[in-house]
Amino acid sequence: EAGVAQSPRYKIIEKRQSVAFWCNPISGHATLYWYQQILGQGPKLLIQFQNNGVVDDSQLPKDRFSAERLKGVDSTLKIQPAKLEDSAVYLCASSLVHGATYEQYFGPGTRLTVT
Amino acid sequence: QKEVEQNSGPLSVPEGAIASLNCTYSDRGSQSFFWYRQYSGKSPELIMFIYSNGDKEDGRFTAQLNKASQYVSLLIRDSQPSDSATYLCAVNGDTGNQFYFGTGTSLTVIP
Repeated sequence: EAGVAQSPRYKIIEKRQSVAFWCNPISGHATLYWYQQILGQGPKLLIQFQNNGVVDDSQLPKDRFSAERLKGVDSTLKIQPAKLEDSAVYLCASSLVHGATYEQYFGPGTRLTVT
Repeated sequence: QKEVEQNSGPLSVPEGAIASLNCTYSDRGSQSFFWYRQYSGKSPELIMFIYSNGDKEDGRFTAQLNKASQYVSLLIRDSQPSDSATYLCAVNGDTGNQFYFGTGTSLTVIP
């Protein structure tokens, strides 16, 4: 079974530029997540989708970040304009119920450096 | 916001010893608890989950859950240098498919 796919793997941009990340979840996983992980910290949820709909975007900086999940499969996360503090790894994950709980699996991540 | 606390470490153990990683959580409504391993420069990898009080064993790994004390731990027996990584504890939220992470504990297994 293929895992969660993300691209690009690395991105370097200057502040005030824009950037977009793409994610393709595991086939059949209805729930998709975008996390931000700053070095030395745990993943922080930015946005969670259930099929096409947003379940939680309470920690998404909506003045600069946007995300969409068209057709309930692939998703894109955009930052515009980027700030220095956006330098982090952006992780996409998907989950599926398995027995009594949900299991969540991560993609390889995109390492963003803002200079 | 659900609070998940872990000792950031670093935790160092000699090869062959038992490594013990601990996690506490704030929300008594949390039902499932997860341990992820994250190698440097890699993404988190799910290694175990537990949702019933007591112990759950999987190979060299044992997860322990005490809901009354809001405490979950991970024991790694016969630690190997390849176990050197950061271990993330996560708990789920009210809907079951929301996950809240601790900051992770860095483990080094010394050959």
